[in-house]
Amino acid sequence: DIQMAQSPSSLSASVGDRVTITCRASQGISNFLAWYQQKPGKAPEILMYAASTLESGVPARFSGSGSGTDFTLTISSLQPEDVATYYCQNYYSAPITFGQGTRLEIK
Amino acid sequence: EVRLLESGGGLVQPGGSLRLSCAASGFTFSNYAMSWVRQAPGKGLEWVSALSGSGDNTYYADSVKGRFTISRDSSRNTLYLQMNSLGAEDTAVYYCAKHRSRSATNCNNYWGQGTLVTVSS
Repeated sequence: DIQMAQSPSSLSASVGDRVTITCRASQGISNFLAWYQQKPGKAPEILMYAASTLESGVPARFSGSGSGTDFTLTISSLQPEDVATYYCQNYYSAPITFGQGTRLEIK
Repeated sequence: EVRLLESGGGLVQPGGSLRLSCAASGFTFSNYAMSWVRQAPGKGLEWVSALSGSGDNTYYADSVKGRFTISRDSSRNTLYLQMNSLGAEDTAVYYCAKHRSRSATNCNNYWGQGTLVTVSS
């Protein structure tokens, strides 16, 4: 199975900060990577797929990059509504696997 | 508008069984793969099982293989998860999620709100 390692596990930043979350796959997955945002008590929502394609309706301050084993999710200017846990997902092959999550808080 | 509505969760004793349902609307159900993803209290997301749009291909996490069965009824636009031999480790919110295509090796662009399964005596 392909393992997904996210870092950091938690992060505190100020409104307006640039925030970066990384995800590393245990083997190459091309660009078969998605990012999800989960707010407390809610279901996950997709932010990005194919590593860098923004889902319709997602604010442009979110961006993704990477290919192979190393990926990043960047929030260019952190907003209060971005408080959430973020997960990467490998869908290169079954079993689909998720990173352990990054909890993002406002400082 | 895509809607996914899970039901069937509840309290069950260890060793018991439960069947979850996910009623889908707003898209052509048979054209898309579907998955179940769970989240134990305070923990991260764990993919459980997936079913291709055609229904021909099923996939299971090792943790549930042989105990859980995924199926779909396209005439009812409903996805199911039959869960047998339940243990405390199966306690979680179970989400139904739609994939972007017929293939189960694709990401999930819509999620239901989840149904809580609690395994306890």
